[in-house]
Amino acid sequence: DGGITQSPKYLFRKEGQNVTLSCEQNLNHDAMYWYRQDPGQGLRLIYYSQIVNDFQKGDIAEGYSVSREKKESFPLTVTSAQKNPTAFYLCASSTAGSNYGYTFGSGTRLTVV
Amino acid sequence: AQSVTQPDIHITVSEGASLELRCNYSYGATPYLFWYVQSPGQGLQLLLKYFSGDTLVQGIKGFEAEFKRSQSSFNLRKPSVHWSDAAEYFCAVGATMAGTALIFGKGTTLSVSS
Repeated sequence: DGGITQSPKYLFRKEGQNVTLSCEQNLNHDAMYWYRQDPGQGLRLIYYSQIVNDFQKGDIAEGYSVSREKKESFPLTVTSAQKNPTAFYLCASSTAGSNYGYTFGSGTRLTVV
Repeated sequence: AQSVTQPDIHITVSEGASLELRCNYSYGATPYLFWYVQSPGQGLQLLLKYFSGDTLVQGIKGFEAEFKRSQSSFNLRKPSVHWSDAAEYFCAVGATMAGTALIFGKGTTLSVSS
C-alpha cells in the first residue's frame, strides 16, 4: 500500500546535537512538507519542496535544514541552533501544489534531554 | 495574508448530540478548504475538502461542511457524535495556485461525554 513513513517515532536529543528525522513516501507525490506541532499552536510550516533539488523556507525555518535528493525522501535535520526543538514533527506529501490536500505521516516526537 | 481561525479551543459534546466546529478564513480569493482529524500521537487524516461547486461537502465518518463565502466560514458538522469522534480537528486553507503550502488553524479538541 502506498503511504508516507516517518521514522523514528520517538527521538531523544542531547543539547548541542544535530538530529535527522526521516520521511519517505511511495505515493509518487511531487511535493513534500515538514510541519512542527506544539500544544495550542496548530501546525507551523518549517520547509517544503515542490520538486527534487529544490525547497523553500516556511514560517519557522530557523534552526532547521532539509534536502531533497530523491523524489521519495525529504529528511529534516534539527540543528543545535534550534533553541526549543522539543515538539511533534509531521511530514506530509501531495501532488504538485497543496490544492488537493496532503497525506500525512504518523509523526516523530522529538525530546531534548 | 492568508489565515485560518478556529475560535473554539475545546468543545465537549454528549454522545449522540450534534456537533458543529467553527472555521473562519482570511483569503483574497476563493480558497481550497480542508478539514483534518488527528488522534493523539498520530498524523492527520483528511475528512473532507472544498474546491468549488456545491457549498455543502460530504466527507468520511459522517461529517459534512458548508462553505459560506459571505461569512468566510467553513464549519464542520456531524448530526450524531460517537465516542470515537473524540480527537483534535484542524481546518486548513490552500491557495488556488501551485507552489504553496496549506495554512492550518490552531485546532479544536473535541471531547465526547457519555
